[in-house]
Amino acid sequence: GDSVTQMEGPVTLSEEAFLTINCTYTATGYPSLFWYVQYPGEGLQLLLKATKADDKGSNKGFEATYRKETTSFHLEKGSVQVSDSAVYFCALSESSGGGADGLTFGKGTHLIIQP
Amino acid sequence: DADVTQTPRNRITKTGKRIMLECSQTKGHDRMYWYRQDPGLGLRLIYYSFDVKDINKGEISDGYSVSRQAQAKFSLSLESAIPNQTALYFCATSDRTEGAGYEQYFGPGTRLTVT
Repeated sequence: GDSVTQMEGPVTLSEEAFLTINCTYTATGYPSLFWYVQYPGEGLQLLLKATKADDKGSNKGFEATYRKETTSFHLEKGSVQVSDSAVYFCALSESSGGGADGLTFGKGTHLIIQP
Repeated sequence: DADVTQTPRNRITKTGKRIMLECSQTKGHDRMYWYRQDPGLGLRLIYYSFDVKDINKGEISDGYSVSRQAQAKFSLSLESAIPNQTALYFCATSDRTEGAGYEQYFGPGTRLTVT
């Protein structure tokens, strides 16, 4: 079955540091890929997405490129802020069968940004 | 107003009690989902529904049941709650637009504690 593996946390960085959170996936079809963010005490919000190979999703200074050859969708940001502290989830949705049977999530990476 | 709402936001109940978690959405989406989140495990799919007459089991449906009362309402029930059902529960919706990547929109979550 489908699966998503992302780096374990917590990840602690200083403000203005460069961020990379690794995400790799296993899927039988051609999935869409997502990064969701969960701020403390809140639900999940979509951060960015990519629906086909070589697409780059971007939002709020975060970027991720859909790499089919390495089955990866790593999240990057050039200069993090304290307000980026949150839990980040990588997820996929299979396109075969309509992709409507739910998202498959990674376990989440807790990011802590120190001033 | 939030597009996806969940009630209650917090609930403490005793082992063996029946409990219902409710979800409502104003996004007009046909597809609705229930997930649970446990620390270190990410989110796992409990049930999903494509429309009022189409309900499907997810990865971890044992011990749960659902009801899709209308397009906008999707309830999750624990018939006889047990302590290992203590978790954070999320409702989500998605639209059927081909090519949209089946992005999902999440409610704020219900924190359930079973003592």
